[in-house]
Amino acid sequence: GAGVSQSPSNKVTEKGKDVELRCDPISGHTALYWYRQSLGQGLEFLIYFQGNSAPDKSGLPSDRFSAERTGGSVSTLTIQRTQQEDSAVYLCASSQDLYNSPLHFGNGTRLTVT
Amino acid sequence: AQSVTQPDIHITVSEGASLELRCNYSYGATPYLFWYVQSPGQGLQLLLKYFSGDTLVQGIKGFEAEFKRSQSSFNLRKPSVHWSDAAEYFCAVGANSWGKLQFGAGTQVVVTP
Repeated sequence: GAGVSQSPSNKVTEKGKDVELRCDPISGHTALYWYRQSLGQGLEFLIYFQGNSAPDKSGLPSDRFSAERTGGSVSTLTIQRTQQEDSAVYLCASSQDLYNSPLHFGNGTRLTVT
Repeated sequence: AQSVTQPDIHITVSEGASLELRCNYSYGATPYLFWYVQSPGQGLQLLLKYFSGDTLVQGIKGFEAEFKRSQSSFNLRKPSVHWSDAAEYFCAVGANSWGKLQFGAGTQVVVTP
């Protein structure tokens, strides 16, 4: 079956512009996570959703970052007024539930801010 | 605060040789422990996990890992590597769930003929 799909796969944007990154989780997965992978670093947790609710936004780096999830399915991560330090690979993962299921990762969106 | 350390940024190993990747964590209690692999152009894949019980856990692709509480370690091993094992490997720690994880910086494994 289909895995986690992220789009676009690559995004180049100018500093100061807004970007939207999209994640389509596996059908039926209630939990959805966003991570960021910067060059030479491990993955950094950003936010997770249980259904459409985001109980934990503690990883969002600044108020320029926001995310939403609609219909318990698609999620969008928005970065406003992008900065060069936002350049990274943004990974989305989904799981059947929060506590008993493994994460299934997408291939990520590589964001480059020039 | 919890942390995960993978001391080796890069490891080169010959095909057929054994491999051990180190992972140390700092956490107040026994965390959920994971190893993930990221192959070029592919998403992260779970290799194995430890929650409780037997401290030696078996995973996919012939990998195993051993949890040592006294050393706060969860090292990954494979007796004989294949060229297809060339990838980046991440150790991760979770407090009480599979999903909100803290990852190490990763170890890049290169396999030579």
